[in-house]
Amino acid sequence: DAKTTQPNSMESNEEEPVHLPCNHSTISGTDYIHWYRQLPSQGPEYVIHGLTSNVNNRMASLAIAEDRKSSTLILHRATLRDAAVYYCILRDVWNYGGSQGNLIFGKGTKLSVKP
Amino acid sequence: EPEVTQTPSHQVTQMGQEVILRCVPISNHLYFYWYRQILGQKVEFLVSFYNNEISEKSEIFDDQFSVERPDGSNFTLKIRSTKLEDSAMYFCASRDRGAGANVLTFGAGSRLTVL
Repeated sequence: DAKTTQPNSMESNEEEPVHLPCNHSTISGTDYIHWYRQLPSQGPEYVIHGLTSNVNNRMASLAIAEDRKSSTLILHRATLRDAAVYYCILRDVWNYGGSQGNLIFGKGTKLSVKP
Repeated sequence: EPEVTQTPSHQVTQMGQEVILRCVPISNHLYFYWYRQILGQKVEFLVSFYNNEISEKSEIFDDQFSVERPDGSNFTLKIRSTKLEDSAMYFCASRDRGAGANVLTFGAGSRLTVL
């Protein structure tokens, strides 16, 4: 799976929007963009994923650049509970149905939320 | 919401002892994983398991490690002779196939401390 680049850390104020960037310039046409997060002392947790179009769910929105070489995870109103490490991960769609499909985690972005 | 359950939450053991970490994946999931996270470091893939056999393993998963699905509900990780460097959080994960194939659900982890 192709590599991603994220800032090591970001800060946000509570109840303000947060935009977490991810660069993936070597993304292939069959790579899905996944976001997971890890709250303190917890296991990773799925946030959202997408291929080409922007995606929304109850947790966040995912904005994908037209050339797919970058994406942004958007938390519309950060809460203290959103303080976590956020991981941007590419997964080849051909791995989905196969016996592999494991995630390869990078260092992620540590998000701090100030009250 | 269905969850992955791991036991014990914390285990302390002496170097050289055998340890078994247990996981109960989500009931209709077919693919199972173990990851580990040494304190302050990345989440690392250890092994994936499907159809009662290992489908992929990392270089970390050497002969000291084994996995088993002894019955229809449990998925275990055994470390035969623990070393100091095995001290870490161990996360179990599971996923479905088909429409659910893109989401791995992780447990809260088992902390292993080797003295």
